[in-house]
Amino acid sequence: SQTIHQWPATLVQPVGSPLSLECTVEGTSNPNLYWYRQAAGRGLQLLFYSVGIGQISSEVPQNLSASRPQDRQFILSSKKLLLSDSGFYLCAWRNGLAGGRETQYFGPGTRLLVL
Amino acid sequence: AQSVTQLGSHVSVSEGALVLLRCNYSSSVPPYLFWYVQYPNQGLQLLLKYTTGATLVKGINGFEAEFKKSETSFHLTKPSAHMSDAAEYFCAVSVNNNNDMRFGAGTRLTVKP
Repeated sequence: SQTIHQWPATLVQPVGSPLSLECTVEGTSNPNLYWYRQAAGRGLQLLFYSVGIGQISSEVPQNLSASRPQDRQFILSSKKLLLSDSGFYLCAWRNGLAGGRETQYFGPGTRLLVL
Repeated sequence: AQSVTQLGSHVSVSEGALVLLRCNYSSSVPPYLFWYVQYPNQGLQLLLKYTTGATLVKGINGFEAEFKKSETSFHLTKPSAHMSDAAEYFCAVSVNNNNDMRFGAGTRLTVKP
């Protein structure tokens, strides 16, 4: 069966520090991968998605970036965090070959607090 | 592009009462529709989805939703609310020619004893 991991679970970082959040998927190949952010009291904001190694689509211009160095690994990064980067970050995967009818499966999330 | 609107950011019901969470979608092509539930500090979990075929879809935990094309709606219902149903619920839409899925803003369900 497929599983998705995110780490760390919780992170407290000072403003201006770098960020690296990691997401890995097991039990599937060639998944579509997604990064979302939930700010307090708000819905899900799609940040990035990837349909293959090295292929990243950005939904919202900001100081975050994403990379996909391996088929089942998706990394969210920042060189300098802002207070507004605080939130709950969710990674998700979906079967990339089956089209829009496929479910997105979510990881447990990372709670980021920027102080 | 497709989009979803969830009416009511917060819904409160009594235990045992009917749960109705509203979702309307916009799509120029046949949509695939999903409902997810999120418990505090957790990821989203799929409740149910509509792809094709029967328009009344049954999901986990006693929830169901009906796809109504004429009303562009996909409302989520449960006949009798339990305390454990208290969570945030997200409606989402996807279409075949896009790689992403669009989520509504979410509805927080509170269940009163």
